[in-house]
Amino acid sequence: GQNIDQPTEMTATEGAIVQINCTYQTSGFNGLFWYQQHAGEAPTFLSYNVLDGLEEKGRFSSFLSRSKGYSYLLLKELQMKDSASYLCAVMDSNYQLIWGAGTKLIIKP
Amino acid sequence: GAVVSQHPSRVICKSGTSVKIECRSLDFQATTMFWYRQFPKKSLMLMATSNEGSKATYEQGVEKDKFLINHASLTLSTLTVTSAHPEDSSFYICSAAGERETYEQYFGPGTRLTVT
Repeated sequence: GQNIDQPTEMTATEGAIVQINCTYQTSGFNGLFWYQQHAGEAPTFLSYNVLDGLEEKGRFSSFLSRSKGYSYLLLKELQMKDSASYLCAVMDSNYQLIWGAGTKLIIKP
Repeated sequence: GAVVSQHPSRVICKSGTSVKIECRSLDFQATTMFWYRQFPKKSLMLMATSNEGSKATYEQGVEKDKFLINHASLTLSTLTVTSAHPEDSSFYICSAAGERETYEQYFGPGTRLTVT
């Protein structure tokens, strides 16, 4: 079966760095996405990785290792507005997104 | 980035009635639209995939006759929840994908459906 695993909840301090991990087992791979979702709102796109390595975009970076079925989202200089759920999703061989349950990130002052 | 709208944002209806939710891509042509349902603290559940001008492809366990999907044009898809029941109360989100290299999906803001 297809499976995406990520921690349920994480807590970090404002100004610090946090890494959210995602492991996956899917039928085929056509890229991995990270989305941010605030409570009661739809997800918003953060990043897309299809090749191994680190992609940096401002305060957010995303890493992918296809051989290990592993990705992480790195958030630097955390701000209170970063409190949200972070969803990992993998596009399978049928170009459909398989979603993780999301990681709720709580930022404390 | 591309913009996708949904209407209505919130709807409350009585049990047994039908509700239509619209999803529009405002500044691009969406060759494919997706409808998701999200339960509290759960991941997004894909309900169906629709391509313009053809019948939607429903995921296993999703009732076609209950959740009617129409993708009449490259900018509009509708989801109709027929004979709604309280267990249909949920957050429904659509997304649209154009012909982009990354196959990126753009999400609508979602519709909160409450069936009383």
